[in-house]
Amino acid sequence: DAKTTQPTSMDCAEGRAANLPCNHSTISGNEYVYWYRQIHSQGPQYIIHGLKNNETNEMASLIITEDRKSSTLILPHATLRDTAVYYCIVRPSNTGNQFYFGTGTSLTVIP
Amino acid sequence: SQTIHQWPATLVQPVGSPLSLECTVEGTSNPNLYWYRQAAGRGLQLLFYSVGIGQISSEVPQNLSASRPQDRQFILSSKKLLLSDSGFYLCAWRPKGAQGQPQHFGDGTRLSIL
Repeated sequence: DAKTTQPTSMDCAEGRAANLPCNHSTISGNEYVYWYRQIHSQGPQYIIHGLKNNETNEMASLIITEDRKSSTLILPHATLRDTAVYYCIVRPSNTGNQFYFGTGTSLTVIP
Repeated sequence: SQTIHQWPATLVQPVGSPLSLECTVEGTSNPNLYWYRQAAGRGLQLLFYSVGIGQISSEVPQNLSASRPQDRQFILSSKKLLLSDSGFYLCAWRPKGAQGQPQHFGDGTRLSIL
């Protein structure tokens, strides 16, 4: 699986957009980008995923650069409940079973 | 919609005692099922996965075993727990078929061995 690089921590003011970057410069053509978050003492929560195109759902937007070497997760209006560790994962769609969670970005939403 | 349930949420067991953790999925059929362990401050380690009833694959040698007696039921067991079995155990499911589908995780069981 391609390696990802994320900032260790970020702060965001409540009500503002939270933009979480992820670098995956070694991504292959068949690898998807997935985003999860984990609130302390809970299981990882799936947020969004994409292959090439930008994606949006009720939780967030995923912006993937044209060369696919980086992506940004956007939480449009951050709330205190969005405080969590956010994981960017890159893996092929059709091989293996393990989702490798790295160290992620610890996002703190500040009132 | 699909949901995944794990129980119990927390468990404290003495060394040498048996273990049974249960995971069930609702709202889907014939899912792939997974057991992970997350040690404190570390990433997730895949322990077992299953593509169907009675079909179990082990990813790492260990003191634990898994079983899938029904399509949407996945059980993690041990005959004799070790101190090193402490951790946060997560069950996940994933639909078959469409490419790129994510895994969906339960809320986990926090296991402490004394």
